[in-house]
Amino acid sequence: GIQVEQSPPDLILQEGANSTLRCNFSDSVNNLQWFHQNPWGQLINLFYIPSGTKQNGRLSATTVATERYSLLYISSSQTTDSGVYFCAVEGSIGTYKYIFGTGTRLKVLA
Amino acid sequence: DAGVTQSPTHLIKTRGQHVTLRCSPISGHKSVSWYQQVLGQGPQFIFQYYEKEERGRGNFPDRFSARQFPNYSSELNVNALLLGDSALYLCASSLSYREAFFGQGTRLTVV
Repeated sequence: GIQVEQSPPDLILQEGANSTLRCNFSDSVNNLQWFHQNPWGQLINLFYIPSGTKQNGRLSATTVATERYSLLYISSSQTTDSGVYFCAVEGSIGTYKYIFGTGTRLKVLA
Repeated sequence: DAGVTQSPTHLIKTRGQHVTLRCSPISGHKSVSWYQQVLGQGPQFIFQYYEKEERGRGNFPDRFSARQFPNYSSELNVNALLLGDSALYLCASSLSYREAFFGQGTRLTVV
């Protein structure tokens, strides 16, 4: 099955810093999402981005499907950005399931 | 608009018992999926239902079962609970096999 790797596994930033999170996947994908998991466990949708580039405020994401990676950019980080960021991919049409990476644990210091 | 709602939010069960977890999808969403997340790992796919039919099953034992009702809500059942079943169980709904939206999860502790 598809393998999903995220890097770095852990990241500590000072408030105001920028960061880039990476997601590599081993095969072509039909869908790709980025999530932020808050301390209570809820997965918050950040981007649905099987290809191309999207921006939402201080966050943006780029997926290069032909090269099998996606990037999540966080600019001017805030303490509320702390948590775990997951990339999830769905394989070819008909697999009906998302495969999650192991996540990047981000801590933003005041 | 209500998002995906799951109940209960927390649950403590004894080894060998049975548990039922419930999920109501976003209004209009006909697809519901279940995921298990153990501490320190990403969620793992358990089941996916669409229009009351099972469309996908992950690598979980037969102790795990699920169903979807005519109103598109869903139940996940786990029999003969093991300590290793302790996890956060997440339900997701989607409109058409695309973007998935997750509930707040049910945290199950087996003692």
